[in-house]
Amino acid sequence: EVQLVESGGGLVQPGRSLRLSCAASGFIFDDYAMHWVRQAPGKGLEWVSGISWNGGSIGYADSVEGRFTISRDNAKNSLYLQMNSLRGEDTALYYCGKDIDSVVTASVDYWGQGALVTVSS
Amino acid sequence: EIVLTQSPATLSLSPGERATLSCRASQSISSYLAWYQQKPGQTPRLLIYEASKRATGIPARFSGSGSGTDFTLTISSLEPEDFAVYYCQQRSNWPPEITFGQGTRLEIK
Repeated sequence: EVQLVESGGGLVQPGRSLRLSCAASGFIFDDYAMHWVRQAPGKGLEWVSGISWNGGSIGYADSVEGRFTISRDNAKNSLYLQMNSLRGEDTALYYCGKDIDSVVTASVDYWGQGALVTVSS
Repeated sequence: EIVLTQSPATLSLSPGERATLSCRASQSISSYLAWYQQKPGQTPRLLIYEASKRATGIPARFSGSGSGTDFTLTISSLEPEDFAVYYCQQRSNWPPEITFGQGTRLEIK
């Protein structure tokens, strides 16, 4: 059974940093691209970042480019999102998602339950 | 930036009826379009990828069509569990552009 478990969320002040982690199990992690997608309370889905199976191809939404960094450790079956210079508009539930392919197709067939990030003073 | 516009914003139908949801891209995205369903309090569920391919386990009543800038998700005969919010998503010019539409709420009439 595919499982994605996010951790690292919480309440943080504007301008500070936070690192999200996603522990993957139930599939061959380094066979698939991975993504972070967020959803602000009561709002729609927003793609944040994606990474190919070996980290050779990475992309970011304009809204986080230069502030967030995605990475993965295939030996640990883990995906990460380093979030710096956080803003109020970054407040959201952050989902970790598995792509259907090793390259980024952006089609996410499995989702974690999400990590809540609240940016507030 | 490629913008996806979904219509209508809200669709009110009864079980057994046919639902047609639209997604229009601001420029051509070939067939790089996916559809997701999200119910309240749940994670999104992949329905369709590459415009017309059903994801694993998705019932045959869900179908996708289109290419270029105009796409459609059709639910042939609505079941009670189909009432939810539906999002389209595009991947084009990777890296780095992936965007979602604003969603269509399918509600029971």
